[in-house]
Amino acid sequence: GDSVTQMEGPVTLSEEAFLTINCTYTATGYPSLFWYVQYPGEGLQLLLKATKADDKGSNKGFEATYRKETTSFHLEKGSVQVSDSAVYFCALNEGKLIFGQGTTLQVKP
Amino acid sequence: GAGVSQSPSNKVTEKGKDVELRCDPISGHTALYWYRQSLGQGLEFLIYFQGNSAPDKSGLPSDRFSAERTGGSVSTLTIQRTQQEDSAVYLCASSSRTDSYGYTFGSGTRLTVV
Repeated sequence: GDSVTQMEGPVTLSEEAFLTINCTYTATGYPSLFWYVQYPGEGLQLLLKATKADDKGSNKGFEATYRKETTSFHLEKGSVQVSDSAVYFCALNEGKLIFGQGTTLQVKP
Repeated sequence: GAGVSQSPSNKVTEKGKDVELRCDPISGHTALYWYRQSLGQGLEFLIYFQGNSAPDKSGLPSDRFSAERTGGSVSTLTIQRTQQEDSAVYLCASSSRTDSYGYTFGSGTRLTVV
């Protein structure tokens, strides 16, 4: 069945460092891909999405490109801030959202 | 309403008791989803409603779990004879017919079975 695999965390970075969180997927069709974020004590929020191959989703300085050839949707940010500390979930949608395990990001000042 | 509302926000129950969790989706959203978030288990799909019908209930872990939706709006997730392994955060999400790519999530109900 369809599945999503994310890099294990926690990921600990210093402020202004470059961030990459890897995400790969397995799907029978061509799903839409998402990154959701869960800040401490808050609910899940949609961060960005891409609906077809080579699309780039972006929001709040985060970017991810839908790579069909490598079945990947890696999340990147050029310069992280302490306020980016959260759990990040990669997901695909083929009739319902299927999530990865989540990656905890800790950004230290 | 402005967002997806879930109640209660926290529930502590004794093993063997039944519990009901409520979800009030965004007005006009026809699709409603229940997920479970457990430590170390990520986000697990439970059931999906389109209107009042449930075309996909494949994620319900056992027959102790059931859900219904009435009037195309409020949904209730019921867990009978709760077990300690049912302890988790239960999340509800909704989406509109034309925005089925992204969901809006509620803040969840934290269920603790003691």
